[in-house]
Amino acid sequence: EDQVTQSPEALRLQEGESSSLNCSYTVSGLRGLFWYRQDPGKGPEFLFTLYSAGEEKEKERLKATITKKESFLHITAPKPEDSATYLCAVRLRMDSSYKLIFGSGTRLLVRP
Amino acid sequence: DTEVTQTPKHLVMGMTNKKSLKCEQHMGHRAMYWYKQKAKKPPELMFVYSYEKLSINESVPSRFSPECPNSSLLNLHLHALQPEDSALYLCASSQDKAGNQPQHFGDGTRLSIL
Repeated sequence: EDQVTQSPEALRLQEGESSSLNCSYTVSGLRGLFWYRQDPGKGPEFLFTLYSAGEEKEKERLKATITKKESFLHITAPKPEDSATYLCAVRLRMDSSYKLIFGSGTRLLVRP
Repeated sequence: DTEVTQTPKHLVMGMTNKKSLKCEQHMGHRAMYWYKQKAKKPPELMFVYSYEKLSINESVPSRFSPECPNSSLLNLHLHALQPEDSALYLCASSQDKAGNQPQHFGDGTRLSIL
């Protein structure tokens, strides 16, 4: 069964304290892994797309990496404005179309 | 601000009411999606439209009826909903259903069923 698991469920950091979020997946026919950020009361905001093991993407304090079984979102020297829920999603082939399956997310709180 | 616009932002309705949720995008995307998101849960796919045709229906109850009048608009018609249908309903769009471009989400309609 296709499955996406994120850990930890919640993470509290002090401003400037770097850490990593994990997204592990067991799927057949992976067609891309996506990271999103979601603020309360808002829709998910796209961050990164990763397709193959070894690929890396960076944006400001965020860096996403991927292996054959998991992806990491590294946060370097986070600021309070990085507080949000971070979702990963895998894109799977379904008949003649594609669908996203989301992990349950990591709720990040960065304290000043 | 997102490039996918959803209206209304909030909706309260009784179980016997009929209402519609609307979604609009002007990015030239040809695939559009409806998701349902309960509190502290991830989004769950409901429907996929590709080139204005229904591509995926994730076994959604018939009290939810999607409609794609043109490539920029997506509606979700609601009738005889249950209290458990209270949730955030998200619309998303992407370049097309098979491409490698990400889905872009609106900020959703928060629906409460009395």
